[in-house]
Amino acid sequence: GENVEQHPSTLSVQEGDSAVIKCTYSDSASNYFPWYKQELGKGPQLIIDIRSNVGEKKDQRIAVTLNKTAKHFSLHITETQPEDSAVYFCAASTWNTGNQFYFGTGTSLTVIP
Amino acid sequence: GAGVSQSPSNKVTEKGKDVELRCDPISGHTALYWYRQSLGQGLEFLIYFQGNSAPDKSGLPSDRFSAERTGGSVSTLTIQRTQQEDSAVYLCASSSQLASETQYFGPGTRLLVL
Repeated sequence: GENVEQHPSTLSVQEGDSAVIKCTYSDSASNYFPWYKQELGKGPQLIIDIRSNVGEKKDQRIAVTLNKTAKHFSLHITETQPEDSAVYFCAASTWNTGNQFYFGTGTSLTVIP
Repeated sequence: GAGVSQSPSNKVTEKGKDVELRCDPISGHTALYWYRQSLGQGLEFLIYFQGNSAPDKSGLPSDRFSAERTGGSVSTLTIQRTQQEDSAVYLCASSSQLASETQYFGPGTRLLVL
């Protein structure tokens, strides 16, 4: 089955700096890659996603890149703010051919004011 | 509108007891997922319901775990004869037919087995 690895497990950045979180996956059939943000005591919330027919997607300060050949995808947060502090999870899925999502182990991001 | 709700928010039980966790998905959502999140770990898939189709139970870790979804809406996850290793946050998510890959998560139930 699919194996998703996520790095780093913890990340601290100064407010205003950029943060990058990287994930790799093993199943070349995976075609959908969402990113979730989980704040303390809450469930994960989808913040951005990318499909395998796209190499990059951007939404304001958040961007995701996908390298299908290398089987890795990354989350980029620019101009970080204290409210970006949370745990971020990546996931991979073979959407429309399977129903399972495989999640990374999470990155705890701390933005230092 | 109302999101996914889960109850109870916290549950403390003794080893060997049975527990029931409830999930109320977003109204009209046809798909419902259960996940387990252990401390410092990612989300572990447990079970998936889609409409009236047979559920995908491939993620259930043992036969002590079961789930049902009545009337295509509310779902209950039951853990029988709980063990300490069952302690985790149990998350439920639902998605609609129109945007079936977008999952909306509930706040989770924090289960502690003593």
